[in-house]
Formats: sequence, C-alpha cells, structure tokens
Amino acid sequence: GAVVSQHPSWVICKSGTSVKIECRSLDFQATTMFWYRQFPKQSLMLMATSNEGSKATYEQGVEKDKFLINHASLTLSTLTVTSAHPEDSSFYICSARAVNTNYNEQFFGPGTRLTVL
Amino acid sequence: QKEVEQNSGPLSVPEGAIASLNCTYSDRGSQSFFWYRQYSGKSPELIMFIYSNGDKEDGRFTAQLNKASQYVSLLIRDSQPSDSATYLCAVNPNNLFFGTGTRLTVIP
Repeated sequence: GAVVSQHPSWVICKSGTSVKIECRSLDFQATTMFWYRQFPKQSLMLMATSNEGSKATYEQGVEKDKFLINHASLTLSTLTVTSAHPEDSSFYICSARAVNTNYNEQFFGPGTRLTVL
Repeated sequence: QKEVEQNSGPLSVPEGAIASLNCTYSDRGSQSFFWYRQYSGKSPELIMFIYSNGDKEDGRFTAQLNKASQYVSLLIRDSQPSDSATYLCAVNPNNLFFGTGTRLTVIP
C-alpha cells in the first residue's frame, strides 16, 4: 500500500518550454500533496504544499507563477514548470499524505529528473 | 536555529556493526518523527516512524525518541553494504520538516 507514482520519470526540454509533471497516489486518497526539489548533493527543499480543491501554498522564494500547481482530485496533483531555464534543472519529487493518517506520514513518488537545455 | 538538525557525516561503519544516526529538533510541539532512507538518485523511502518516548524496533532498525531532550535516533544493527545511503530525519508538527540528512557508508 501507500504507492505514489510520478510521470514522467525524466524529461529533457529546451529552454523556454513548459513541462508538466504528474503525481498520483495509487492506492490511497491524499488530502495533501507536497512538491520538493533536490539539487545534486543537497537536501530536499519543499517548494509548495497543495490541498485538494484549493490553491497551493508556496514556500518563500518559490515563484508561484513559474511553478504552477494543480490538485484537482484526491489522487492527482500536477506541477507545471513554465518557461523552463537551465537553472530549473533538478530532481523534482512529490509526496502525498493520506486522508486518514494518524501520524501525518508522507509517501514519496520516485521523482522526476528535469534537464533544461 | 534550524528546525531539524542532523550530523551530515559521512558516517562510515564496517559491515556487521551498529550504525547510529542522530537528530535533534527545535519544536517541542512535534508529535511524530520519521526516518527516511534515500539512495543516490532516488527519492526517499519511509523506514519507520515513532511518536512515543522510548524505543521502537522493526527488524534491524530501532528508532529511539526522547521528547524531553528533543532527540530522535536511528540504530541499524548488523549493518549491510546495502544500507549505504543518506538517512533523513523528519519531524512533524503539521508538515514534515526534514533534516539535511546523514550519509552512511557501510564498508564490506
């Protein structure tokens, strides 16, 4: 149980294009999903928290107009990197928190490696 | 002060030894505590969580929590080379706050 998928697992795009990453909870409903970014040899950095049916909450320094988050259902959240630039190249990881969790554990997707040329 | 602090390591132990990973946190209201393992190039996977003072054992892993000292640790018994990874401590008042992780290397 508690499986989270991400698609695509990797993507290479040209500078200036937009990239959409999907995060799905496969066997549970997630009220809250989280988007993280991780640069090589660095820790996870929380980008934003999204709750189903409401606007995402972005961490300080994360541009909400550049990183568009949609959480339209209890099993799907999407992150769109708009007008991507080489500095956006990173490992993007989502996690999901179940509706009925007692301890607020999060389960991570396998991550999406984005390379912007 | 950082929310969650971990010794970044690297920590090296010989195969078969006990690896001890430590974490301190600042928010006394934290309710639950998590250990994640992250292999290079992969996303974190949940190893175990603990919410009561004392020890919690799961196979070769033991989590220890001391809320008075705001300290949580992870012991890995009979360490294996496959345990070589970065271990992330996470603390939950509402959302998870992650430490920077401790890199563990188990030497065959």
